Amino acid sequence: RKEVEQDPGPFNVPEGATVAFNCTYSNSASQSFFWYRQDCRKEPKLLMSVYSSGNEDGRFTAQLNRASQYISLLIRDSKLSDSATYLCVVNPGGGADGLTFGKGTHLIIQP
Amino acid sequence: GAGVSQSPSNKVTEKGKDVELRCDPISGHTALYWYRQSLGQGLEFLIYFQGNSAPDKSGLPSDRFSAERTGGSVSTLTIQRTQQEDSAVYLCASSLIHGILFFGSGTQLSVL
Repeated sequence: RKEVEQDPGPFNVPEGATVAFNCTYSNSASQSFFWYRQDCRKEPKLLMSVYSSGNEDGRFTAQLNRASQYISLLIRDSKLSDSATYLCVVNPGGGADGLTFGKGTHLIIQP
Repeated sequence: GAGVSQSPSNKVTEKGKDVELRCDPISGHTALYWYRQSLGQGLEFLIYFQGNSAPDKSGLPSDRFSAERTGGSVSTLTIQRTQQEDSAVYLCASSLIHGILFFGSGTQLSVL
């Protein structure tokens, strides 16, 4: 099992719809989790951290399920500008090289 | 500057040549990472510097790859005797809080 796994997509979603995707991780001791966004031919940028209690930032909601070892990202009222690749990042904690990036989920918002 | 700066933005080299890639992190950021990304692929961890600690080199793919960070600031990634499979975008990131990385725009390396 890979350390961090994501469905590569693409997810084709009409504008205004709600879309959600998950990321599974293999290390049960993982401590912290993040979602990054990467636009085509651009560098990744932090979208949001994922807290144990879950967190929300505008139209974006991130959840953590430790029992099943996955994190999720929900996007409500999707915009054309949400089209990007969403990268899941897991930090096992305590280790210098613990930041493992998933290969990303490609999201396409269609008008 | 406000962000992470990388140079050159593009580098074309011949197989067998050495290349140096530079990263200028955000001032005050103690951590510095190098990743590489091949077309359509995920980020591959290369090396990590944290303050004055010994760098974590566990991601370097071969002994042709090395990196240093001088004075806790600027970092240079060196690839010796480049091979075609080294072609990729090399991304540098700096961080003050573990997990929250700020990336540069990368160096596109093409080995002919």
